[in-house]
Amino acid sequence: AQTVTQSQPEMSVQEAETVTLSCTYDTSESDYYLFWYKQPPSRQMILVIRQEAYKQQNATENRFSVNFQKAAKSFSLKISDSQLGDAAMYFCAYDNQAGTALIFGKGTTLSVSS
Amino acid sequence: DTGVSQDPRHKITKRGQNVTFRCDPISEHNRLYWYRQTLGQGPEFLTYFQNEAQLEKSRLLSDRFSAERPKGSFSTLEIQRTEQGDSAMYLCASSSRTSQNYGYTFGSGTRLTVV
Repeated sequence: AQTVTQSQPEMSVQEAETVTLSCTYDTSESDYYLFWYKQPPSRQMILVIRQEAYKQQNATENRFSVNFQKAAKSFSLKISDSQLGDAAMYFCAYDNQAGTALIFGKGTTLSVSS
Repeated sequence: DTGVSQDPRHKITKRGQNVTFRCDPISEHNRLYWYRQTLGQGPEFLTYFQNEAQLEKSRLLSDRFSAERPKGSFSTLEIQRTEQGDSAMYLCASSSRTSQNYGYTFGSGTRLTVV
């Protein structure tokens, strides 16, 4: 069974600085998707960024980028120029090839200070 | 399309009562998922529909839980004889594997409190 591990329960960053959230996963599949989701307090889960396993190029979305290391099964999220609105719980998630379920890590709570 | 809608947003019920939640997915999405999330934890998969067929159920889904998706549109999740341990946020998500921007879109969730 696939598993997703986020080893940092909490992280903090100052405004305008850069922070990296870690994620590792375990799978025997070769084709899959990986996602980072953001969940602000008491608010909806929002997709931040998506990576397709067969693509070697790391995905980027404005201030958000990933470092995808397929052989190491590592998928970290880098947030550049952090903003107060980035404060939230961030979840790394694995989607199997069949798309039958999204498997989440336990999350990392990110706080941003001014 | 306004996204995934869930109703109600909050539900407080007495132990032993039955509750039913509704989810309206994005209309073009043929896949619908139910998740349960407790405070400070990641969502846990409960069940998955492709169109009207329920294709997968987690072992977390005890026989007190039942989900339906008639006609492949909205879905309902019913919990019978609620227990305090059922208190959680119940999230619905939908997706379409054929979408160019593939991903799971989540609703705002239904927060259940069993007293």
